[in-house]
Amino acid sequence: AQSVTQLGSHVSVSEGALVLLRCNYSSSVPPYLFWYVQYPNQGLQLLLKYTSAATLVKGINGFEAEFKKSETSFHLTKPSAHMSDAAEYFCAVSRTGFQKLVFGTGTRLLVSP
Amino acid sequence: DAGITQSPRHKVTETGTPVTLRCHQTENHRYMYWYRQDPGHGLRLIHYSYGVKDTDKGEVSDGYSVSRSKTEDFLLTLESATSSQTSVYFCAISAGVRSYNEQFFGPGTRLTVL
Repeated sequence: AQSVTQLGSHVSVSEGALVLLRCNYSSSVPPYLFWYVQYPNQGLQLLLKYTSAATLVKGINGFEAEFKKSETSFHLTKPSAHMSDAAEYFCAVSRTGFQKLVFGTGTRLLVSP
Repeated sequence: DAGITQSPRHKVTETGTPVTLRCHQTENHRYMYWYRQDPGHGLRLIHYSYGVKDTDKGEVSDGYSVSRSKTEDFLLTLESATSSQTSVYFCAISAGVRSYNEQFFGPGTRLTVL
């Protein structure tokens, strides 16, 4: 069964610093992986997705993620954090059949001036 | 933004009362989903629909039922609400069934069961 694990329920960075949010997956088949962002009191918005076309995936707002099969990881990065990046981030893997998503428990990103 | 609305946006109810949440889409997408979001659990799938009158259970379906009589509407019903069903509920839609098709989420409904 597919699953994802997000390490760290909270990550704190300073404005301008590197953002690294970790996601490891477990899947018996080649996975499709997603990163979503949730701003306060809003629904989830897709940041990027991995569909096996390329291991380095670029998303919106300057975020990118690299699929590493050997490490079963799909970590999300951004070179320079901005105050507006403060939100909760969810990694998800797609289960076969009707595109059901399995989400990680989320990582809240805090950005300080 | 995907045309997804949820109603009500906030609701407070008492234990034992029935509650129905509505998800409405204007995208004519075939697939619709209901999730609940709880701290420390992320989002968990309650039920999903793959067409009018075609629904199936997700991982946390106990205590919930759904109906879909029209493409645009997907209803989630708590027959007899319990305090453990206090949560934020999200509806999502997807254009396709392929595993790489992303889902688009509604704004959520915050439900409190006293």
